[in-house]
Amino acid sequence: QVTLKESGPGILQPSHTLSLTCSFSGFSLSTYGMGVSWIRQPSGKGLEWLASIWWNGNTYNNPSLKSRLTVSKDTSNNQAFLKVTSVDTADTATYYCAHTRYNSGEYFDYWGQGVMVTVSS
Amino acid sequence: DVQMTQSPSYLAASPGESVSISCKASKSISNNLAWYQEKPGKANKLLIHSGSTLQSGTPSRFSGSGSGTDFTLTIRSLESEDFAVYYCQQYNEYPPTFGAGTKLELK
Repeated sequence: QVTLKESGPGILQPSHTLSLTCSFSGFSLSTYGMGVSWIRQPSGKGLEWLASIWWNGNTYNNPSLKSRLTVSKDTSNNQAFLKVTSVDTADTATYYCAHTRYNSGEYFDYWGQGVMVTVSS
Repeated sequence: DVQMTQSPSYLAASPGESVSISCKASKSISNNLAWYQEKPGKANKLLIHSGSTLQSGTPSRFSGSGSGTDFTLTIRSLESEDFAVYYCQQYNEYPPTFGAGTKLELK
């Protein structure tokens, strides 16, 4: 059974770096084809894909956020990470991590419940 | 980016009724479309992928159709647990993009 859970700071100040952790079970990010994606949703707005990291270490970021995103993984501890630099109020959102599979196309078959992040001074 | 347009944004229906939600892509995405269900306090649930393939565990009253640019999610004989928000998502090309959602409410 695949489960994912996001954790993060809750609130942070503008211009700071947001660091999020996705702790998962039921699969390994060292297994061929496995991936973890990050998706966010501002309150009352739609879903936005941010980035993905794959079993082989390859990463893909949403160009709309330019170089502000960094994704990484700790295979031994079944965790994936997202860093967002230079945050501002527009980054206030619920952030989700989700499981995806390389061979099936990038849809998301398991999601975490999300972690709310507020950027405020 | 591929723009995904969902309609309607809101839909009111009663248990037992059938409803359909439309999702239109700004360019052809073949059948690389998924549908998700969002409910408060629960993780988003993948219902359908590849346009019409039911994910394991999705009730058979859900069906998906379409290819190219036009897709439809149909729910037949609505049950109480179906009242939720539904999103479509294309994964034909990067970045994956989502529709704005359709809120299915109890009439």
